[in-house]
Amino acid sequence: GAGVSQSPSNKVTEKGKDVELRCDPISGHTALYWYRQSLGQGLEFLIYFQGNSAPDKSGLPSDRFSAERTGGSVSTLTIQRTQQEDSAVYLCASSLGPPGPGNTIYFGEGSWLTVV
Amino acid sequence: KQEVTQIPAALSVPEGENLVLNCSFTDSAIYNLQWFRQDPGKGLTSLLLIQSSQREQTSGRLNASLDKSSGRSTLYIAASQPGDSATYLCAVRYGNKLVFGAGTILRVKS
Repeated sequence: GAGVSQSPSNKVTEKGKDVELRCDPISGHTALYWYRQSLGQGLEFLIYFQGNSAPDKSGLPSDRFSAERTGGSVSTLTIQRTQQEDSAVYLCASSLGPPGPGNTIYFGEGSWLTVV
Repeated sequence: KQEVTQIPAALSVPEGENLVLNCSFTDSAIYNLQWFRQDPGKGLTSLLLIQSSQREQTSGRLNASLDKSSGRSTLYIAASQPGDSATYLCAVRYGNKLVFGAGTILRVKS
């Protein structure tokens, strides 16, 4: 696609429910990232996928968070048993290749999650 | 610890002014540095990417500089316009991840 596409754009869920957020990266981009932006906070790295390699999960805040990437393209971020502190904008990004000096990262418009 | 700091946190200027946004980072072993713009309720738009071996990049009215040894970058905006009003984020690339500053909220008054 022309840009990074995320869905849903907005999600309101009850505390304790599971949610799935989807990201469709730019066509041909092998690297995919998830970030979280909480109200009044900076962007926080969550997870990184590169091709078929094992993902870098070092930023996931708890074991309630998981992500997968099927076929090296679309990715799903799953939050189980949501808590109010999970309320944030979840941003997905992609880049053409693995981390390198010249690789620009392109972001989607985010999925706005509100846990009530 | 890899930290990125942006100064000022907020800036309000009249239309037409030239302005400078500052970014500093604690670990100079960077891959690259990227400046983004974020409009309210929107995602991030990449403005400029400076490779670790470069000193500056220019795009239109924007010029970004990088001084790796001192851990600093600046974003210069010439002849500011109301449409430039947004949050400007500096992000430093370390390995697999970008470390972001908290941003500078810019308001350009007409």
